[in-house]
Amino acid sequence: KQEVTQIPAALSVPEGENLVLNCSFTDSAIYNLQWFRQDPGKGLTSLLLIQSSQREQTSGRLNASLDKSSGRSTLYIAASQPGDSATYLCAARDNYGQNFVFGPGTRLSVLP
Amino acid sequence: ETGVTQSPTHLIKTRGQQVTLRCSSQSGHNTVSWYQQALGQGPQFIFQYYREEENGRGNFPPRFSGLQFPNYSSELNVNALELDDSALYLCASRRAGGYQETQYFGPGTRLLVL
Repeated sequence: KQEVTQIPAALSVPEGENLVLNCSFTDSAIYNLQWFRQDPGKGLTSLLLIQSSQREQTSGRLNASLDKSSGRSTLYIAASQPGDSATYLCAARDNYGQNFVFGPGTRLSVLP
Repeated sequence: ETGVTQSPTHLIKTRGQQVTLRCSSQSGHNTVSWYQQALGQGPQFIFQYYREEENGRGNFPPRFSGLQFPNYSSELNVNALELDDSALYLCASRRAGGYQETQYFGPGTRLLVL
């Protein structure tokens, strides 16, 4: 059974810092991994999706990497801004199921 | 703008009642999944529908049921509501068979069971 964890649970940084969010999964037989952003009380916004055959994906200030052998993905946010404050969730889709297994999220606060 | 919509946005029910939540998938998407998100936790997979048939289910009891319609809209039905059913319910749609199969989420329905 796939399990996904995220560290840290919460992070507070000053504006302008570069930061890394971590996601770990127990079953390396994943189909893809997706990073989401969730604002309080809202739905999820897709940020990046990495296929199992890919090592990384980039979108603007965001870069996500995937290392299946170690069961890890990282989300790198460059030059953080107060508008980046939100909860960031990763979700792994494995080759056996039809669903995404989510981590509990990292709550990010970027202070002006 | 993801194009996935959900209704209602908020709902209050009492224990033992039944509830129906609705989702309209993004145009061109043939797969819809439903998730339950308790406060402070990540979403938990309830089930998935592909071409009007359930083809995946998480660890939820049979009182959680669903439907997908020919226009790819979907319903989540919960019978005999319990206090622990209070949560944000999210639906997500994607086009199965595509290369990336990115999931797009709706804004959610917040259910409170008293």
